[in-house]
Amino acid sequence: NAGVTQTPKFQVLKTGQSMTLQCAQDMNHEYMSWYRQDPGMGLRLIHYSVGAGITDQGEVPNGYNVSRSTTEDFPLRLLSAAPSQTSVYFCASSYDRGSYEQYFGPGTRLTVT
Amino acid sequence: EDQVTQSPEALRLQEGESSSLNCSYTVSGLRGLFWYRQDPGKGPEFLFTLYSAGEEKEKERLKATLTKKESFLHITAPKPEDSATYLCAVQEGQGAQKLVFGQGTRLTINP
Repeated sequence: NAGVTQTPKFQVLKTGQSMTLQCAQDMNHEYMSWYRQDPGMGLRLIHYSVGAGITDQGEVPNGYNVSRSTTEDFPLRLLSAAPSQTSVYFCASSYDRGSYEQYFGPGTRLTVT
Repeated sequence: EDQVTQSPEALRLQEGESSSLNCSYTVSGLRGLFWYRQDPGKGPEFLFTLYSAGEEKEKERLKATLTKKESFLHITAPKPEDSATYLCAVQEGQGAQKLVFGQGTRLTINP
């Protein structure tokens, strides 16, 4: 199993550009989520999904969109990038919505200039 | 609002010098407390889940404990390879698994 994969690993955007961060898992996990990690702030939840076709907002959803058309994939879209979105983004998955450990991907480091 | 505070922010130890990391939390209806290890440039890696006060879990040189207000990660006779950032997260009682993370403790073990 590859686990949780994320692409790209690094990305530089100009303010106002859009892009999609890709996340895929091959463990047949129902629950997937996106976090951002900033120095001194810890990991903060952006959006999450409890299954295909179902998504909901986390703590910091503004400026981001998600969709979940399959169990395996959970892309994160930045519609109009802003410097405040410069961060490291992590995708995670777990078996279901219960108290199971989450498996994290390797992260995408995004810089918005 | 749920809060998780980890201390200290950074800790330097000599190899073999035991110590503890602290995670204090305020949450309505704790469903689980999680410890993760994060190496530089990588995603967090799961270590433990604790569910109720008094529970303890061990893995190699690490032992996690839980009270009603805080959790400790005890490191016994650490080695340089234990150097990492250790993250604590809590899950509240209702709804989907939304974790609230602390800021982490950066641990450095000098040989």
